[in-house]
Amino acid sequence: SAVISQKPSRDICQRGTSLTIQCQVDSQVTMMFWYRQQPGQSLTLIATANQGSEATYESGFVIDKFPISRPNLTFSTLTVSNMSPEDSSIYLCSVGGLAGGNNEQFFGPGTRLTVL
Amino acid sequence: KNEVEQSPQNLTAQEGEFITINCSYSVGISALHWLQQHPGGGIVSLFMLSSGKKKHGRLIATINIQEKHSSLHITASHPRDSAVYICAAPMGGATNKLIFGTGTLLAVQP
Repeated sequence: SAVISQKPSRDICQRGTSLTIQCQVDSQVTMMFWYRQQPGQSLTLIATANQGSEATYESGFVIDKFPISRPNLTFSTLTVSNMSPEDSSIYLCSVGGLAGGNNEQFFGPGTRLTVL
Repeated sequence: KNEVEQSPQNLTAQEGEFITINCSYSVGISALHWLQQHPGGGIVSLFMLSSGKKKHGRLIATINIQEKHSSLHITASHPRDSAVYICAAPMGGATNKLIFGTGTLLAVQP
């Protein structure tokens, strides 16, 4: 299994500002993903974070709004830019492709974001 | 129509009851995930299964690939089992990208 930590665990931000969320894994992983869970909704994949190259975004999500970095195999960041109240969500990172593992996916504890 | 559907959406049980949550999916999959989300938001992976049945403590997950249906059972339920239970299926191919069901909110009362 993998132990995943996210920072911050929660934040309250003002409209128009940006927040960067960090995701750290305790082992090297092939895949890292960022999800959003809006209030009362299920999880939606934002993008796949690719090590050493640009992230792959899902339909409806763009790099200017959600820039992602992945400098190595254990760390990634997601920035929520120019925030509005509609960005209030839980943001989760997940990892897959552990060495010697199967297709199991592990999730971080989430970052609860409230935009005023 | 969501490709992964769960029922029921909400479930209230008395402590000790046997609980079943169902998941149906319309996509061809290699494996199905069951996840647990507590009120704080963090998600824990409970099971990943591609056939048959898996058991972990009081939790049992079954899957019927032909019928595209999976169930999560909780035996001797306890208030600490109260959470949202989510099934998820890979989007296809060999990727780990998941499509999530809408979740089942379980409340176990003492």
